[in-house]
Amino acid sequence: AQKVTQAQTEISVVEKEDVTLDCVYETRDTTYYLFWYKQPPSGELVFLIRRNSFDEQNEISGRYSWNFQKSTSSFNFTITASQVVDSAVYFCALSGALGDNNDMRFGAGTRLTVKP
Amino acid sequence: DVKVTQSSRYLVKRTGEKVFLECVQDMDHENMFWYRQDPGLGLRLIYFSYDVKMKEKGDIPEGYSVSREKKERFSLILESASTNQTSMYLCASSPIGGWGNQPQHFGDGTRLSIL
Repeated sequence: AQKVTQAQTEISVVEKEDVTLDCVYETRDTTYYLFWYKQPPSGELVFLIRRNSFDEQNEISGRYSWNFQKSTSSFNFTITASQVVDSAVYFCALSGALGDNNDMRFGAGTRLTVKP
Repeated sequence: DVKVTQSSRYLVKRTGEKVFLECVQDMDHENMFWYRQDPGLGLRLIYFSYDVKMKEKGDIPEGYSVSREKKERFSLILESASTNQTSMYLCASSPIGGWGNQPQHFGDGTRLSIL
């Protein structure tokens, strides 16, 4: 069975601090995909990143970076120099075999509050 | 730009009513999904459709049904609403094809209250 754990329910930081959101996953598949989504107060989930299980290179996109480590089954997300606009609920998700979209599993989400 | 539109942002209904939640996407995506989002539980899949008139049950289909008569529209139906169906409902769509699972595109959500 596939499972995603986001142990941090809520995180509060002050603007300009760096913050890391943890994501730990469980799967028996050798091919799988990991995602991060952002849900701002407006409600719409916004896709941030997708990684496949064969690509362990870390990725950086502006102030966002992702650290994928298969050895620890983790896919952590770091925001550098956080801003108030980063305040949102962040979801980590996992899906399995190729083209099998109905097995996407989401974590419970981490609510990030960035204070000015 | 990709757009998934849910018909209502907020909806209040009474126990026992039949409730329809509508979702329309303009990206010509094959896959469409209905999730419910509850605090501490993340998103849970209710139903999924990969083509017109095709549907598959997700993790929590009990008390719900769906309809997909046209590719762009996916409706969620609460046959007889109950208070434990009070929740945020999210619709999503994604294309198929290409290598690997494609990201899903989400609507703004419908916050449904059953009194």
